[in-house]
Amino acid sequence: NAGVTQTPKFRVLKTGQSMTLLCAQDMNHEYMYWYRQDPGMGLRLIHYSVGEGTTAKGEVPDGYNVSRLKKQNFLLGLESAAPSQTSVYFCASSYGQGATEAFFGQGTRLTVV
Amino acid sequence: AQSVAQPEDQVNVAEGNPLTVKCTYSVSGNPYLFWYVQYPNRGLQFLLKYITGDNLVKGSYGFEAEFNKSQTSFHLKKPSALVSDSALYFCAVRDPRGSQGNLIFGKGTKLSVKP
Repeated sequence: NAGVTQTPKFRVLKTGQSMTLLCAQDMNHEYMYWYRQDPGMGLRLIHYSVGEGTTAKGEVPDGYNVSRLKKQNFLLGLESAAPSQTSVYFCASSYGQGATEAFFGQGTRLTVV
Repeated sequence: AQSVAQPEDQVNVAEGNPLTVKCTYSVSGNPYLFWYVQYPNRGLQFLLKYITGDNLVKGSYGFEAEFNKSQTSFHLKKPSALVSDSALYFCAVRDPRGSQGNLIFGKGTKLSVKP
């Protein structure tokens, strides 16, 4: 059982380049999230989705876009990367909004130079 | 606004000694509370959660957490620390009335257990 899978695991971008991070979950979860983790700041929510075809902004959405065309996939896009987007990105999914825990992917370490 | 505070950036413990990692929260009503652990270069792993009922919750790897509503705290504990417990620990809260369903995380506490 793979759980939550993120690709790629590492990436180096030049300022202004674009890329897409892919998150796939095989647990039939409705809710999916993208977080970024920065030293001393914990995890901050970028965007989230409460079901296929839906997306919404989180705490730090600027510079990112997302899409949830299929229930199992949640894509995070950077249209024009900036050094401030250097971070570790985590995707997570959960069954719902209640007491169920969220499951996390292994993370994507992105460096923008 | 909902928030989670982990007042200690780092906790140092000798192997075999008890450990406590502190967490306080600010959420109206009765929140759901979680602890996660992150080992180096890995994702977050779920340890335990509090929903309702008994204030002492037991979780994975011998960890437990004590919920205290009057102090709005949810401290993580373990009676006897292992070197392998060294990791980054995150406390998180979810407002059961919210529609987002997302977890709000503290900034994390690095636990270092020395032999």
